[in-house]
Amino acid sequence: EIVMTQSPATLSVSPGESATLSCRASQSVSGNLAWYQQRPGQAPRLLIFRASTRATDIPARFSGSGSGTEFSLTISSLQSEDFAVYFCQEYNDWPRVTFGQGTRLEMK
Amino acid sequence: QLQLQESGPGLVKPSETLSLVCSVSGGSITKRSYYWAWIRQPPGKGLEWIGSTIPEGRSTYYNSSLESRVTTSVDTSKNEFSLKLASVTAADTAVYFCAAQYNWNYFLYWGQGILVTVSS
Repeated sequence: EIVMTQSPATLSVSPGESATLSCRASQSVSGNLAWYQQRPGQAPRLLIFRASTRATDIPARFSGSGSGTEFSLTISSLQSEDFAVYFCQEYNDWPRVTFGQGTRLEMK
Repeated sequence: QLQLQESGPGLVKPSETLSLVCSVSGGSITKRSYYWAWIRQPPGKGLEWIGSTIPEGRSTYYNSSLESRVTTSVDTSKNEFSLKLASVTAADTAVYFCAAQYNWNYFLYWGQGILVTVSS
């Protein structure tokens, strides 16, 4: 079973600045990684798939990178609506999928 | 664009069976490349994949930690799919999401979620 570890658990950043969130896999997942944003009381929303491909209608300030076991999500010029919880998810271990435990991005 | 909506009881007694239905609109549940999934999130915690299935029972896969208690099915005539989780305990209290999974990969569309509390 692949374990996905996200860091930090909480990240405090001021609006307008950039934030970088990390996701590490316990074994290689190649490029089979997705990122989601979850605002309070809402369902997760797909941001990134295949490690670096933005989903439809996702702003360019969201970017993903990485492969193998190390991945990151960078959000530039943070806006108020970006403060939320972010999850990574691997889908290399078919048919099982595993989520990270999440990073809470909070306003400083 | 697909829309998904969960429905079912919000309160289930311990040892009973949790039953939820996800109604799909905006497209057919037989749409190629889409697989129908259930994911849950205990209050204040992370996401746990429960299982995924495609119509007509061609393939169904479950999280091994829940496999002995989970059954999912797809009703193409109603454009909906369902989840049954047997012998529930308080540990099964969570928001349950249905989702459309693209090619057994990432989850492209999500329902709004339904809170199910297990309590007597």
